[in-house]
Amino acid sequence: KAGVTQTPRYLIKTRGQQVTLSCSPISGHRSVSWYQQTPGQGLQFLFEYFSETQRNKGNFPGRFSGRQFSNSRSEMNVSTLELGDSALYLCASSSQGDYGYTFGSGTRLTVV
Amino acid sequence: TQLLEQSPQFLSIQEGENLTVYCNSSSVFSSLQWYRQEPGEGPVLLVTVVTGGEVKKLKRLTFQFGDARKDSSLHITAAQPGDTGLYLCAGARSGGYQKVTFGIGTKLQVIP
Repeated sequence: KAGVTQTPRYLIKTRGQQVTLSCSPISGHRSVSWYQQTPGQGLQFLFEYFSETQRNKGNFPGRFSGRQFSNSRSEMNVSTLELGDSALYLCASSSQGDYGYTFGSGTRLTVV
Repeated sequence: TQLLEQSPQFLSIQEGENLTVYCNSSSVFSSLQWYRQEPGEGPVLLVTVVTGGEVKKLKRLTFQFGDARKDSSLHITAAQPGDTGLYLCAGARSGGYQKVTFGIGTKLQVIP
């Protein structure tokens, strides 16, 4: 079966702009989680969606938001980009959170 | 402060050597997962351990979950260059909706 698909793979944006990242989970997976990965902080949890509802949220400012559609596809949006938002953004889907994620390849966001 | 402390953070060894990576926490987890991540890609799930004291083997990799479900270790026997990558442990806590927390990772380099 197809894996988790994230688009785009690479993105370069300017400070102050906004960006939308997309994630299509594995078919049948209703839970989608987003993580930010940086060399100094590792993987930091952003939020988790299940059946179009945000179930958990990490410790990120309100500039970071997301949503999930009825087909389980998810988007995350970052507004008013800052240099520190440069990171690899990973999407993971699961059918049951306790038993492991399947990750996408990530979107590498560079803010200049 | 990382909820899950991984050690060592960097490891460079010769092919054929053995190594152990540790993942420690003061929190109890309902399950613990190990992932391997290669540059430019998302993490790939290696194993999930759920029972205190559990030991799982995956070819040359041995995973152990501590009796108190607060710590875990990954042992690699006779390391090969293909084992090179970032090894991440991740703990899931029950009680309502699970949220998975990642350690910062151990960057392993196996030199031929």
